[in-house]
Amino acid sequence: EIVMAQSPATLSVSPGERATLSCRASQSISSNLAWYQQKPGQAPRLLIYDASTRATGIPARFSGSGSGTEFTLTISSLQSEDFAVYYCQQYNKWPPYTFGQGTKLEIK
Amino acid sequence: EVQLVESGGGVVRPGGSLRLSCAASGFTFDDYVMSWVRQVPGKGLEWVSGINWNGGSRGYADSVKGRFTISRDNAKKSLYLQMNSLRAEDTALYYCARVWTGTYYFDSWGQGTLVTVSS
Repeated sequence: EIVMAQSPATLSVSPGERATLSCRASQSISSNLAWYQQKPGQAPRLLIYDASTRATGIPARFSGSGSGTEFTLTISSLQSEDFAVYYCQQYNKWPPYTFGQGTKLEIK
Repeated sequence: EVQLVESGGGVVRPGGSLRLSCAASGFTFDDYVMSWVRQVPGKGLEWVSGINWNGGSRGYADSVKGRFTISRDNAKKSLYLQMNSLRAEDTALYYCARVWTGTYYFDSWGQGTLVTVSS
């Protein structure tokens, strides 16, 4: 099973600043990585797929990068609606398709 | 608009059974692989099971293999999860999710149905 590790567990950032979230895979997953955003009481929402492609309707301030085992989600200028929990997910090898444990992005 | 609506959750005793359903609309259901993903309240996401367009290929997480069965009815545009021999650790919010074509990320999610396994 491919293990996904996200860091940090919690990130405190001020509105308008940049946030950088990390995700590491226990083995190479090429670019088969997605990022999701989840707000309290809501289902996850797809943000990024294939490591760097924004999903439909996702603002340009969200960007993804990386390949192999190291990946990054960057939010260039945080808006109030961006404070949420973010998950990465690998889909290179199944079963299972594995998620990271999540990074909570909170207001500083 | 893609809509996925789960139902069938509830409270069940350990060892009991439950059948979850997911009603799909707004897209051609039998064009897509579908999956179940669960989330213990306050915790992370866990992929549970997936099924291809005609049911000919199915996959399960080790934690549910042999106890859960995924199925679909394309005529009814519905996805199902039969859960048997339920355990306390199966307590979670169960999401139905659509898998984007040719890959395995989840591009649409339902709002989830809560399963509680407790004596």
